[in-house]
Amino acid sequence: DAGVTQSPTHLIKTRGQQVTLRCSPISGHKSVSWYQQVLGQGPQFIFQYYEKEERGRGNFPDRFSARQFPNYSSELNVNALLLGDSALYLCASSLGLRETQYFGPGTRLLVL
Amino acid sequence: SQQGEEDPQALSIQEGENATMNCSYKTSINNLQWYRQNSGRGLVHLILIRSNEREKHSGRLRVTLDTSKKSSSLLITASRAADTASYFCATDPGGSYIPTFGRGTSLIVHP
Repeated sequence: DAGVTQSPTHLIKTRGQQVTLRCSPISGHKSVSWYQQVLGQGPQFIFQYYEKEERGRGNFPDRFSARQFPNYSSELNVNALLLGDSALYLCASSLGLRETQYFGPGTRLLVL
Repeated sequence: SQQGEEDPQALSIQEGENATMNCSYKTSINNLQWYRQNSGRGLVHLILIRSNEREKHSGRLRVTLDTSKKSSSLLITASRAADTASYFCATDPGGSYIPTFGRGTSLIVHP
């Protein structure tokens, strides 16, 4: 079975732009979570979706938004990009809440 | 803020030696997980230990959990160069279902 996939793998944007990152979960997984990992730090939780509903939100500004589609794939949107948004964005899927999360390879975003 | 904190921040050993990493956390948990990350790529799930378990094994990995001390350790026996990676512990503070990660331990295994 394919693992979690994310696209694109790399992205370069300039300040003020908007970006959309995409994630496809493992087949059969109904929960998708998004994390931001800044260099030298552990992943920081952004959102969790389960059955297309938001079930958790981390301490991130409203510039960050996400959604989950009927096929359980997900998009993370970040508006008005700041230099500090440069990071590795990780998507993880799980069968349900409180289940082991399996991570994708990430999207590396660089904001200039 | 970080719930789990790994110690040491960096560890350098020779191939064949054992590597021990520790994780301390602040609030009660339902489970604790260890992940590995190679060169800034995605995280690989290694092992999950529940709060009512004290020790768990998986291949060359041994994880212990001491809920009275709010700490866990990950032991990698007979390390290999391929074990070079960053290792993170993740907890679910207060029983939430959102894993909270520490800053990680960077392990370098020299061939």
